[in-house]
Amino acid sequence: IAGITQAPTSQILAAGRRMTLRCTQDMRHNAMYWYRQDLGLGLRLIHYSNTAGTTGKGEVPDGYSVSRANTDDFPLTLASAVPSQTSVYFCASSPGQGESPLHFGNGTRLTVT
Amino acid sequence: GEDVEQSLFLSVREGDSSVINCTYTDSSSTYLYWYKQEPGAGLQLLTYIFSNMDMKQDQRLTVLLNKKDKHLSLRIADTQTGDSAIYFCAESWGQNFVFGPGTRLSVLP
Repeated sequence: IAGITQAPTSQILAAGRRMTLRCTQDMRHNAMYWYRQDLGLGLRLIHYSNTAGTTGKGEVPDGYSVSRANTDDFPLTLASAVPSQTSVYFCASSPGQGESPLHFGNGTRLTVT
Repeated sequence: GEDVEQSLFLSVREGDSSVINCTYTDSSSTYLYWYKQEPGAGLQLLTYIFSNMDMKQDQRLTVLLNKKDKHLSLRIADTQTGDSAIYFCAESWGQNFVFGPGTRLSVLP
């Protein structure tokens, strides 16, 4: 079934550790996004990529980095995790041609202790 | 800046209609969306409406858009227990998306 795969499903991480959240899509979508979801705050955009080889900063980019080496993969890295990065992280994609809705993965639940 | 607002909670009885409301601020929005999130899952696109439309109906779902008041609503007819979830309103222009905080719908037997 075509879609977005995120890994891991959940993770407990010690503060100060480095962590990469993986996201892969098989829909050949141009645009990909990383959001974090926190209770009462909805979804906030961390980073995005309009096409392979380009990335941009969203609303809350500090402490996170991304890369887009190819169309399918869009990993999110926390260089040195802090407790405020405890959240549920969602990867999303869209065709990126004109107006098109976002398709979401099932999320990664990250707890930083 | 852009902002999307929703009430956080709604409870209805099984079989009744549910109406979830949303207000947005950006008049340049071209599409408005409703997403559904079930526990432990990602957001699933339910329906969307182009900004030059007033209404869209899809089976039990009816979307109403009042562009003058920047008000969007989602009506679910004959609400079932499987409709219990968080519903997110979102607006977009180009590839920019802004989401509301989500409305948690509880369906009571």
